[in-house]
Amino acid sequence: KAGVTQTPRYLIKTRGQQVTLSCSPISGHRSVSWYQQTPGQGLQFLFEYFSETQRNKGNFPGRFSGRQFSNSRSEMNVSTLELGDSALYLCASSLPVGQETQYFGPGTRLLVL
Amino acid sequence: KQEVTQIPAALSVPEGENLVLNCSFTDSAIYNLQWFRQDPGKGLTSLLLIQSSQREQTSGRLNASLDKSSGRSTLYIAASQPGDSATYLCAVTDQAGTALIFGKGTTLSVSS
Repeated sequence: KAGVTQTPRYLIKTRGQQVTLSCSPISGHRSVSWYQQTPGQGLQFLFEYFSETQRNKGNFPGRFSGRQFSNSRSEMNVSTLELGDSALYLCASSLPVGQETQYFGPGTRLLVL
Repeated sequence: KQEVTQIPAALSVPEGENLVLNCSFTDSAIYNLQWFRQDPGKGLTSLLLIQSSQREQTSGRLNASLDKSSGRSTLYIAASQPGDSATYLCAVTDQAGTALIFGKGTTLSVSS
């Protein structure tokens, strides 16, 4: 079974631009979560989607948004990029979250200049 | 607010040594606890998941324990190998059951 895939793997943007990251979950997984990883803050939860509905959201500004499609693929968008948005963005998928293992993708490394 | 702490932040051991990584959390109302491994610049690999009703899980040379009442978990690695060198992350699932709350990790270096 193919794992979680994320595209693109690397991105360089400038301040003020916007970016869209994509995540394809493991086949059959309907829950997709997004996390931001930085050296200073570690791994922080962004949001989680299940059956196209956002069920939970972390403590991030409204510039961070996401969505999930009917095939469970998910995208996250960051508008008006700031230097501090430079990070590794990880996507994870699972069966019903809470009782199941979460499987992570390789991440998208975003550099904001 | 749930907080997860991992001690030590870094650990260096010679090959063959048995070692213990520690994780503590402030709120015992968790759904489960997971241990992950992360290699530099890579995503996370799940090692063990312990449900809130369980006390421990084992996989090969790895054994993880969970004590909800004291808010602690340990990851025991037996007979360490250089290939075990990585950052080990502990995470608990929040009360909503939809988000993982991570510790900052323990970076392990095993020398041959």
